[in-house]
Amino acid sequence: DSGVTQTPKHLITATGQRVTLRCSPRSGDLSVYWYQQSLDQGLQFLIQYYNGEERAKGNILERFSAQQFPDLHSELNLSSLELGDSALYFCASSVEWGPTDTQYFGPGTRLTVL
Amino acid sequence: AQSVAQPEDQVNVAEGNPLTVKCTYSVSGNPYLFWYVQYPNRGLQFLLKYITGDNLVKGSYGFEAEFNKSQTSFHLKKPSALVSDSALYFCAVRDGGRSNDYKLSFGAGTTVTVRA
Repeated sequence: DSGVTQTPKHLITATGQRVTLRCSPRSGDLSVYWYQQSLDQGLQFLIQYYNGEERAKGNILERFSAQQFPDLHSELNLSSLELGDSALYFCASSVEWGPTDTQYFGPGTRLTVL
Repeated sequence: AQSVAQPEDQVNVAEGNPLTVKCTYSVSGNPYLFWYVQYPNRGLQFLLKYITGDNLVKGSYGFEAEFNKSQTSFHLKKPSALVSDSALYFCAVRDGGRSNDYKLSFGAGTTVTVRA
C-alpha cells in the first residue's frame, strides 16, 4: 500500500456525462500527479499540482480539468465523456516538486464510458 | 523531449533463472530513471531509481538495475526470478535538464512471466 488513496475504484457512465475522480496523497506529500493508462496510449502524464498550484501540463484534453485543494487532496474532472476516455486513471504523489522525487501511485480509478 | 523504450513486450523465464528487463532512454539533460511494477488490477509500485553515483542500483524485492550512460540504458535485473515476479514492468525517465517540467515519461511496459 503506497499511502495514496483514490476514489471511486470503478466508475461506469455514459457518453456526454461528467465525472469527478478524487485523490488523497500520502501524508506530507505536496505534489500530486494525474496519469491516464489505456491500451493504445500506454501511461500518459496529464497534469501536476504542487501545494495547490498547477506546475506542469501534459496530454490533457480541454474537456478535462483538475485542481488541488488546501488540504492537498486533488480532483480530476472529466466532462463531455467519449468512449475513448475509458481508461485507468492514476494519481501519484511525491514529497516535493523536483526531478529526483519518487512518485508513489494510488490504486487507480477504472473509468468505463458506455 | 524525453522518451523511454522497452524493446521487449514480453519476457519469459523459468523460476530460479536470471531475469532481465531492458530499457533505453533519451533525454537532453541528466537522466533520472525509475522502475515500477504493476500487478493485475493494482497501481504501480516503485522498485528503484537512479539519480547519480553508483551505476548499480539496488531496490525492492531483490531487484537491481544497471545504469549505462554510453548505451543510454537502464536494464532491470534479478538474479533468481520467482513466480510471484510475474507482472507488468515499466521503465520511466525524467529529464533533469528541464527546469519546470518534472513529469515522468513511461515506456510501453514489459510483461514478465515466470514459469514454475
